[in-house]
Amino acid sequence: DTAVSQTPKYLVTQMGNDKSIKCEQNLGHDTMYWYKQDSKKFLKIMFSYNNKELIINETVPNRFSPKSPDKAHLNLHINSLELGDSAVYFCASSQALAGPYEQYFGPGTRLTVT
Amino acid sequence: SQQGEEDPQALSIQEGENATMNCSYKTSINNLQWYRQNSGRGLVHLILIRSNEREKHSGRLRVTLDTSKKSSSLLITASRAADTASYFCAPDAGANNLFFGTGTRLTVIP
Repeated sequence: DTAVSQTPKYLVTQMGNDKSIKCEQNLGHDTMYWYKQDSKKFLKIMFSYNNKELIINETVPNRFSPKSPDKAHLNLHINSLELGDSAVYFCASSQALAGPYEQYFGPGTRLTVT
Repeated sequence: SQQGEEDPQALSIQEGENATMNCSYKTSINNLQWYRQNSGRGLVHLILIRSNEREKHSGRLRVTLDTSKKSSSLLITASRAADTASYFCAPDAGANNLFFGTGTRLTVIP
């Protein structure tokens, strides 16, 4: 059983389009995250959610909107895609917010904007 | 910034040798975690060391933490080809917020 899953694995789209990436965890965790990894492998946290409540929004353009319909899901919607949005996006989860707890990462979604 | 900065950026060693990677950070932390990333995959947690700990072991891994110098090191002993991956440190200033850097790319030559 996959602990943290993301769909799609690859996403190729044109500038200006709107796209979504879905994430699901079956670990029963309370906290979920989105990270962006650029071409230089720099991994930066974008958002964290705890029990469906937004906790962190790390200087991310408002074109990015996370949505958590329930504790097990955290989706990422991106409006008006730009070339600079090309990256690998990782979803992760941890048992709770007040840890410390290790984070479990999904396999990533490689987004290419042309 | 709060992110961890790994050094060196790349490291190439022979199988059986030890590999040491260093991490520096700039803020006070509650704990620091190390993760591994195989090419094209997600990150996998290796070890967590709390701010009141100085050293921790897990199998062939040894992590040290010096909060006065704001630095940590990860030692992998008797390396194997399967250890080839990128290694990231992630300082946690609180609330499980991890600030990764760009990692150390380790290549173990069989």
